[in-house]
Amino acid sequence: GAVVSQHPSWVICKSGTSVKIECRSLDFQATTMFWYRQFPKQSLMLMATSNEGSKATYEQGVEKDKFLINHASLTLSTLTVTSAHPEDSSFYICSAREPAGVGEKLFFGSGTQLSVL
Amino acid sequence: TQLLEQSPQFLSIQEGENLTVYCNSSSVFSSLQWYRQEPGEGPVLLVTVVTGGEVKKLKRLTFQFGDARKDSSLHITAAQPGDTGLYLCAGAWGDYKLSFGAGTTVTVRA
Repeated sequence: GAVVSQHPSWVICKSGTSVKIECRSLDFQATTMFWYRQFPKQSLMLMATSNEGSKATYEQGVEKDKFLINHASLTLSTLTVTSAHPEDSSFYICSAREPAGVGEKLFFGSGTQLSVL
Repeated sequence: TQLLEQSPQFLSIQEGENLTVYCNSSSVFSSLQWYRQEPGEGPVLLVTVVTGGEVKKLKRLTFQFGDARKDSSLHITAAQPGDTGLYLCAGAWGDYKLSFGAGTTVTVRA
């Protein structure tokens, strides 16, 4: 079946640094990918919709200048957490949607645990 | 963002017992999905229900979508320790956006 690869699985960084997370669709071309954030013992919250070749669409309350999203190819979307602070520590998960006509199913990556010291 | 209320938040039962998890909303969704998530991993899709009143069975798991497409339930028959995990419901809206419920942590004791 379709697989979405997310890298890295976990990252520890110092406050003030930037961290890039990659999300790749391995078996299909994904024109749309989604980025979620999950705090401990809480559910997934949609942060933004990443569209190939165009600007990402951010959900209300999510700072676009802090969470930079780039979807430069049909198989790769990246989320960069800029000037990370301890409150940004969270589990970040991406998902990718199969193209129309293939099944349009959503597949999730395995997540990235970010810890900001 | 459409809101989904999931209950109960925690459920601990003995092996062999049955359990039901509920997912309710005031919003209508084009489809509703159930996921299972293990610690430190992304959620894995269990089922998608689309039609109001639809019932789907996956071995010992039974999923039901409400007639008005606002609520859903997950029923597990004769639960086993391998069923332990976090179960999430998610409603699809807009352009394949998903709104997730808060999740139900299920623990099945041997």
